[in-house]
Amino acid sequence: DGGITQSPKYLFRKEGQNVTLSCEQNLNHDAMYWYRQDPGQGLRLIYYSQIVNDFQKGDIAEGYSVSREKKESFPLTVTSAQKNPTAFYLCASMGLGSQPQHFGDGTRLSIL
Amino acid sequence: AQKVTQAQTEISVVEKEDVTLDCVYETRDTTYYLFWYKQPPSGELVFLIRRNSFDEQNEISGRYSWNFQKSTSSFNFTITASQVVDSAVYFCALSHSGGSNYKLTFGKGTLLTVNP
Repeated sequence: DGGITQSPKYLFRKEGQNVTLSCEQNLNHDAMYWYRQDPGQGLRLIYYSQIVNDFQKGDIAEGYSVSREKKESFPLTVTSAQKNPTAFYLCASMGLGSQPQHFGDGTRLSIL
Repeated sequence: AQKVTQAQTEISVVEKEDVTLDCVYETRDTTYYLFWYKQPPSGELVFLIRRNSFDEQNEISGRYSWNFQKSTSSFNFTITASQVVDSAVYFCALSHSGGSNYKLTFGKGTLLTVNP
């Protein structure tokens, strides 16, 4: 089935550690997005990419990094510079010119 | 700057009641899209509807209906005869239309609890 796969579902980070969240899509979508969701909050955009090897910062990019080496993959690294990483992270994709965005099931990141 | 306001943080109803979720938006664009998404307890976001700014017709899909009023910048969502399975967080969102910018601006969501 076509869709967006995020892994792992749950992730724990130690102090000073970088962790990488995986996002893979087989929808042949050009654009991919990473959002952060905190309790009682809407989704806030971290990074997005509209083509391979290109990406742009969203509203809260500090402490995060991404890469887009393949069309189907858009991994997000939460670096040690992100002092409050505990949140629910959602990845989305979209065919350019054909909204809406489709979302994965999310990864819940917690601090050990 | 774009902004989406969902003033209702939480709503609790009894099964079979009708319920309306409010959404008010701000944008300087003349062309834009509005969306509603549902987030059940499992966490994934489920797309419900997309509305183009040029199309002000109301839409009905089963027990769901949407009222888009450009004059008041509102895009409200009504669930008729609510069911326990409707319990979820509902998000309203806004995006630019056309060009290369397809970022979504989300409201903070409304938690709907439908009690049996």
